[in-house]
Amino acid sequence: RKEVEQDPGPFNVPEGATVAFNCTYSNSASQSFFWYRQDCRKEPKLLMSVYSSGNEDGRFTAQLNRASQYISLLIRDSKLSDSATYLCVVNSSGGYQKVTFGTGTKLQVIP
Amino acid sequence: EPEVTQTPSHQVTQMGQEVILRCVPISNHLYFYWYRQILGQKVEFLVSFYNNEISEKSEIFDDQFSVERPDGSNFTLKIRSTKLEDSAMYFCASSVLGKTSTDTQYFGPGTRLTVL
Repeated sequence: RKEVEQDPGPFNVPEGATVAFNCTYSNSASQSFFWYRQDCRKEPKLLMSVYSSGNEDGRFTAQLNRASQYISLLIRDSKLSDSATYLCVVNSSGGYQKVTFGTGTKLQVIP
Repeated sequence: EPEVTQTPSHQVTQMGQEVILRCVPISNHLYFYWYRQILGQKVEFLVSFYNNEISEKSEIFDDQFSVERPDGSNFTLKIRSTKLEDSAMYFCASSVLGKTSTDTQYFGPGTRLTVL
């Protein structure tokens, strides 16, 4: 099983739609979870950290399910500018700094 | 807003040559990182650096790689004898602290390395 697994997509959704991405991780000892966004040929940028209680930032909601070892990201009212690849990131056991990236899920919001 | 900068934006080199990729982390940050992303693949952790020494490294970071903080601002990644498979985008990142549970890593724009 891959350390961090995501559906690569692409997800093609109309503007205004709600879209959800899931990510599973294999290491039950992982402590930190993040969603990053990466535009084509650009650097990853932190979208949000994921907390056990779930967290929301505007149109974005992240959830963590430790028992099932998955993380989700929900985007409401999709905008054209949301088109990007969304990267699930998990810290690896045994170290604070080393993180593992998923391969990313590509989102294309269509007018 | 402070940002991580990297130079050059694109480096082309011949196989077997040495390359040095440069990064200037955000000034008050204490932890520095290198990642690579082969075209079409995921971002991969290479190494983290704190207090002038490597704190963690991945299995990718073998003897051909080294990192250095030669002065108070630059953070470099050296690849001693480049191979074709080293062609990738190399991202530098920095964070204030090293605990990913409470800290954000800020990424630079990357250096695209092409090995011919």
